[in-house]
Amino acid sequence: SQTIHQWPATLVQPVGSPLSLECTVEGTSNPNLYWYRQAAGRGLQLLFYSVGIGQISSEVPQNLSASRPQDRQFILSSKKLLLSDSGFYLCAWTAQVGGTQYFGPGTRLLVL
Amino acid sequence: AQSVTQLDSQVPVFEEAPVELRCNYSSSVSVYLFWYVQYPNQGLQLLLKYLSGSTLVKGINGFEAEFNKSQTSFHLRKPSVHISDTAEYFCAVTHNSGYALNFGKGTSLLVTP
Repeated sequence: SQTIHQWPATLVQPVGSPLSLECTVEGTSNPNLYWYRQAAGRGLQLLFYSVGIGQISSEVPQNLSASRPQDRQFILSSKKLLLSDSGFYLCAWTAQVGGTQYFGPGTRLLVL
Repeated sequence: AQSVTQLDSQVPVFEEAPVELRCNYSSSVSVYLFWYVQYPNQGLQLLLKYLSGSTLVKGINGFEAEFNKSQTSFHLRKPSVHISDTAEYFCAVTHNSGYALNFGKGTSLLVTP
């Protein structure tokens, strides 16, 4: 069966520091991968998605970036965090376009 | 593009009472619809989905939803809730060539004794 992992589970970072969140999927090949951010009271916002290695699409311009160095690895990064980057970051995968998305456990980021 | 409106931000209900969480969508093409549940500090778990076929969809934990194309709705129901159903519920929509889900803002279900 397929599983999706995210780490770290929680992170407290100062403003202006860098960020690297990792997401990996097991048990499937060539998944579509997604990064969402969930801010309090605002639902889920799609940040990036990827349909293959090195292929990244950005939905919202901001100081975050994403990379997909391997088929089942998806990384969310920032060079300098802002207070507004605080939130709950969720990674998801799907086997096909329009298919069911399965979510990881999430990373809670607090920027101080 | 598709969008989702969850009409209630919070729904308080007593244990063993029925509940309905409302979801309306807008789209110019055929859609796929989903309900997810999120327990505190956890990821989202799929409750049920509508892709095609029967408009009444049954999911996990005793939940069901009905797709109503004329009313562009996909309301979630449960005949008798438990304390353990307390969570955030998200409705989402996509289409068969869409890369991402569009989520509603969520409905917080609070079940009390």
